[in-house]
Amino acid sequence: NAGVTQTPKFQVLKTGQSMTLQCAQDMNHEYMSWYRQDPGMGLRLIHYSVGAGITDQGEVPNGYNVSRSTTEDFPLRLLSAAPSQTSVYFCASSYSEQGILNYGYTFGSGTRLTVV
Amino acid sequence: SQQGEEDPQALSIQEGENATMNCSYKTSINNLQWYRQNSGRGLVHLILIRSNEREKHSGRLRVTLDTSKKSSSLLITASRAADTASYFCATDAKRAAGNKLTFGGGTRVLVKP
Repeated sequence: NAGVTQTPKFQVLKTGQSMTLQCAQDMNHEYMSWYRQDPGMGLRLIHYSVGAGITDQGEVPNGYNVSRSTTEDFPLRLLSAAPSQTSVYFCASSYSEQGILNYGYTFGSGTRLTVV
Repeated sequence: SQQGEEDPQALSIQEGENATMNCSYKTSINNLQWYRQNSGRGLVHLILIRSNEREKHSGRLRVTLDTSKKSSSLLITASRAADTASYFCATDAKRAAGNKLTFGGGTRVLVKP
């Protein structure tokens, strides 16, 4: 099925551990992004990418790294997990027209991360 | 701080009634988008309105945009129990480089049968 696939769906980490959240899309979208959503809140942008080899920081980038080696994949790495990173993480992708996001995002189903 | 802020934060209506929610933002935009999120799920794109448009319709959804007031509204007509969800506005702000989609805090809508 076409869309955005996130793995894993659930994860529990101990403080200090590292891990990678995977995101893949098969729609040939140039634009991909990672958001976190905390209970009762909206989404906050962590990192985004406008194409393979190009990434940039969002509102809350600290503690996270990204890379974009292919158009399809945009993994998010937690370097040293902290309880404050307990959240639901969403990956999203979109076409863009000359850098303008004139199409809606397609979201993945999310990864629920708990850091203990 | 978030670019878009929704109002009200929560809304409870009876099935068949209309639901209206508002979004205010701070900077010039290329477009404004509305999304729905059912509990525990990812967000689903509903409608996009460009900065040079004033009103847009999609089925039972009507979106307006007032760039002079930096505000938008989403109207859901003849609501159904299945419309129970959180609704978010998101703005693609004009920037010199690197466009980003920024989300508001959302409006939780409960449609009672």
